[in-house]
Amino acid sequence: GQQLNQSPQSMFIQEGEDVSMNCTSSSIFNTWLWYKQDPGEGPVLLIALYKAGELTSNGRLTAQFGITRKDSFLNISASIPSDVGIYFCAGPLSGTYKYIFGTGTRLKVLA
Amino acid sequence: GAVVSQHPSWVICKSGTSVKIECRSLDFQATTMFWYRQFPKQSLMLMATSNEGSKATYEQGVEKDKFLINHASLTLSTLTVTSAHPEDSSFYICSARWSLEAFFGQGTRLTVV
Repeated sequence: GQQLNQSPQSMFIQEGEDVSMNCTSSSIFNTWLWYKQDPGEGPVLLIALYKAGELTSNGRLTAQFGITRKDSFLNISASIPSDVGIYFCAGPLSGTYKYIFGTGTRLKVLA
Repeated sequence: GAVVSQHPSWVICKSGTSVKIECRSLDFQATTMFWYRQFPKQSLMLMATSNEGSKATYEQGVEKDKFLINHASLTLSTLTVTSAHPEDSSFYICSARWSLEAFFGQGTRLTVV
């Protein structure tokens, strides 16, 4: 079945640094969604991507839809302490509206 | 974005009792909602798809008699955990599809004692 693998699994960074993470799939996706989850909360949608090669920004966040349609990337510039959390990529299973989630990247920012 | 509200945010129940969790789309109508389960430090696992006016469809390995889903209106889906046991303790999260995106509720922490 379709799987989404994220890397890195976790990362510690200094405040002010830029962060990059990626998500890869075993099959093609037509939509990529990036979410952030804080402890004890539901995921919050950060960025949605709909076309291969698309590059979309939301404040300090930038995400790209890989041209192979099997991967996506999320970058966070000038990280701040409130960026701490778990970042998930997600996409719909082919032919359905059922969304599956990546394994997550846990981000910790050192002040 | 669209707003999804989940209630309660946490619940503690005794083993053998049933617990109902509500998921509402506040500013849009959702013909399809989804229920996920999340264990500590793990990703979200899709349990079932809730369809307004028809039966829910369950993912492989999810007991439909244990996790009863009702989607009685375009803005409300409920998940009832029946005869709960400690191993059912988890974080349950609902989502609703709006356009091509999925929006999530705040989650419900269920603890069965």
